[in-house]
Amino acid sequence: DVKVTQSSRYLVKRTGEKVFLECVQDMDHENMFWYRQDPGLGLRLIYFSYDVKMKEKGDIPEGYSVSREKKERFSLILESASTNQTSMYLCASSFRNYRPNNEQFFGPGTRLTVL
Amino acid sequence: KNQVEQSPQSLIILEGKNCTLQCNYTVSPFSNLRWYKQDTGRGPVSLTIMTFSENTKSNGRYTATLDADTKQSSLHITASQLSDSASYICVVSATGSSYKLIFGSGTRLLVRP
Repeated sequence: DVKVTQSSRYLVKRTGEKVFLECVQDMDHENMFWYRQDPGLGLRLIYFSYDVKMKEKGDIPEGYSVSREKKERFSLILESASTNQTSMYLCASSFRNYRPNNEQFFGPGTRLTVL
Repeated sequence: KNQVEQSPQSLIILEGKNCTLQCNYTVSPFSNLRWYKQDTGRGPVSLTIMTFSENTKSNGRYTATLDADTKQSSLHITASQLSDSASYICVVSATGSSYKLIFGSGTRLLVRP
């Protein structure tokens, strides 16, 4: 079974703090993703990585950065947390090769609260 | 603009009853459509995936249909169980983008005993 794990289920931080969210997958997937999920908005893509040290901006990258030093690990960084970054953060991974049924597998999510 | 709209936003049904969730999309060119189930506080888990040539797919008590002409999909849940209480998310991808998914905002289903 594919397993995507995230370092924390719940996190509470203060405004201005630097926040690290970690994601690890064990299926040798090339692609990894960070999304945020807010009520009524659906999942929105923050950043995407298709290989080690490679990254692409998603739909809402402002205020975030990412790091992919190893294939299995993808980190999301909030340089200076703000209250509007309070959200559920979901990591996902998939194979790179394009197939119509190429599926993204999701982690359990990290609920981040910024006070 | 590529969009996915789901209805209803929320639904309450009694255990044992059937229900149908709707998804309309404007994604073009269409590649595939997936339904995910997301339990509260958890990540989404895939239920079904359908490409352009498929118009129905089942996964146990879940049956998804796709009408690519009208750009509509439905997810039918048969003989609902309490464990079906979750959010159901319709997700569409476009041809040429193996990773870019367009997510609906989901239907929250509550199954009551």
